[in-house]
Amino acid sequence: QSALTQPPSASGSPGQSVTISCTGISRDVGGYDYGSDYVSWYQQHPGKAPKLIIYAVYKRPSGVPDRFSGSKSGNTASLTVSGLQPEDEADYYCSSYAGTTILVFGGGTKLTVL
Amino acid sequence: DVHLVESGGDLVKPGGSLRLSCAASGLNFSDAWMTWVRQSPGKGLEWVGRIKKKSAGGATDYAAPVKGRFTISRDDSKNTLYLQMNSLKTEDTAVYYCTTYVTGSCHDWGQGTLVTVSS
Repeated sequence: QSALTQPPSASGSPGQSVTISCTGISRDVGGYDYGSDYVSWYQQHPGKAPKLIIYAVYKRPSGVPDRFSGSKSGNTASLTVSGLQPEDEADYYCSSYAGTTILVFGGGTKLTVL
Repeated sequence: DVHLVESGGDLVKPGGSLRLSCAASGLNFSDAWMTWVRQSPGKGLEWVGRIKKKSAGGATDYAAPVKGRFTISRDDSKNTLYLQMNSLKTEDTAVYYCTTYVTGSCHDWGQGTLVTVSS
């Protein structure tokens, strides 16, 4: 069982928006023990390595389209993909700093573009 | 661009040992905190361990399932990260990725190397 909870699947049609949730506890996603926000999101296409698309809750590495956005409320973080494109079909994972445990991942969400 | 290349994956029997390497380029490796992350076939991502840069003490931390069996080290003169895996179990079967690490985030990823533990 993964430390962070994600829905196993999500879907949307091209052009639509879809949001994937990532639920943890106060000591990881909540960030209450260290007063900062360290949630990240990764995209993984089949047979490929994961790619960082969001870090520090909402920041995008250079080259990541602004269709990808992140947010957080309490112990739940969210990834929103706007203007869905066929190439967005992939697995998405969240992660969070977790103090002495260092890093925990979610179980992953398979995004299908209908 | 940062380039990470893992190697050393192989088929090994339960109880055996293996050492993985990760050659880094395109970054100031001695300044980088690094992690190992693994992914069992058809499963999700699992953090394995992290090593700080030497100037931050070079400390290592490990996930509970591998603590006491796996050791992360680095050779900054060779821009290379290592993962020594001992007392391997079938449940250690996975693709192992090395990544650069900034608190809470694995920024750059290698292509991974497959470790299969089977009799």
